[in-house]
Parts: sequence; structure tokens; C-alpha cells
Amino acid sequence: AQTVTQSQPEMSVQEAETVTLSCTYDTSESDYYLFWYKQPPSRQMILVIRQEAYKQQNATENRFSVNFQKAAKSFSLKISDSQLGDAAMYFCAYGRGSRLTFGEGTQLTVNP
Amino acid sequence: EPEVTQTPSHQVTQMGQEVILRCVPISNHLYFYWYRQILGQKVEFLVSFYNNEISEKSEIFDDQFSVERPDGSNFTLKIRSTKLEDSAMYFCASHDWREHYNEQFFGPGTRLTVL
Repeated sequence: AQTVTQSQPEMSVQEAETVTLSCTYDTSESDYYLFWYKQPPSRQMILVIRQEAYKQQNATENRFSVNFQKAAKSFSLKISDSQLGDAAMYFCAYGRGSRLTFGEGTQLTVNP
Repeated sequence: EPEVTQTPSHQVTQMGQEVILRCVPISNHLYFYWYRQILGQKVEFLVSFYNNEISEKSEIFDDQFSVERPDGSNFTLKIRSTKLEDSAMYFCASHDWREHYNEQFFGPGTRLTVL
């Protein structure tokens, strides 16, 4: 079974600084997708960024980018120029077939 | 922008009662999902649904749970006899395989409290 591990329960960053959230996963598959979801206090799940495993190029979405290391099964999220609105719980997720498998989450605090 | 909606936002029920959680997926989506998140824990997959039948379910989705698409727009999760441990946030999600493989769009969730 696939597992997703986020080893940082909490992280903090100063406003305008850069922060990296870590995620590792375990799978025997070669074709899959990886995602980062943001969950603010409202508990809505918001997709931040996605990465197809067959693509070597790291995905970017404005201030958000990933470092995808397929051999190492690592998928970290970098948030540049952090904003107060980035404060939330961030979940890494693995997708193949019909289900998403989530990590435990990292609570990100942004300090003004 | 189209979005997944869920009702009610908060449901309080007594242990042993039946509850039905409702979802309206995005209109042109074909695949529907339910996930749950116990407070302070990770989001867990419950079930996926396509073409009017369950395509995959997790070990959590036992005989107490059922899903249905009663009409062309709603997608429901029924818990027949609620237990205290069913208290959680329940998320509905949907996606269209033709657009973004596995990119699931989540609803705002229903908070279920079992007393």
C-alpha cells in the first residue's frame, strides 16, 4: 500500500521569506501523481500544485514550486515570498487510480 | 467558477441514528469521492463512485456506509447507525478524467458530530 509521510508537524516562516515543506512517499508504481493541498482554518481543501510522475520538470504555480525527486520518492513544496494568507495546514497527497492518499499534514505559521 | 457543494455544513446526531450527507459535484464531472478527516488527523479515503457504482472503497467503508447518486446532480453518503468514532469532517470530491488525471476538487465539508 502507498504511504505518504510528512515529517514536519509544524513549520513557521517570516513574512516575505521562503519555506520548504517536506514530503516522502512509498510506492512501487512508476506512473502516479503528487499533490499539495492547503487547508485553512475553514477546513476547505484547496489544491496548491500538482506533479505528474512522468514529468522530470518540477511544477511551479506563482510563488509555489516543488522539488520532485522520483528516485528518492521525495516531493517537497517551496513557498517563496510567504504571505500571511499562506498560513494553513498543508497536506501532501499521492494519487493513482481513484484514491488519494494523504500525509499527516504540516501546520504552517507565517509570522508578520 | 464551478465548485463542489455540500450540505449541511454541520450535522449533530445521536449515536445509533442514521445520517445522510449530501454533495453536489461539479456538473460535468464523472467521478465522485468521499473522504473523512477526524479532528487533528489526516484525510482518509472512503469510497469512489463512477457510472452508478462503487469503483473502490477503503477498509473504513464497511456495511454501515453506503453511497448513492439518486438523481443527476446529488451524491450522498449514508451512515446507517452512527457511532461516536464517526465524528469527523466528511469531504466530497469530484473530477473529470478527461481534464486532469486525479485532480480532485473538494467541497467545503460537512462536520458530523455524534453524541
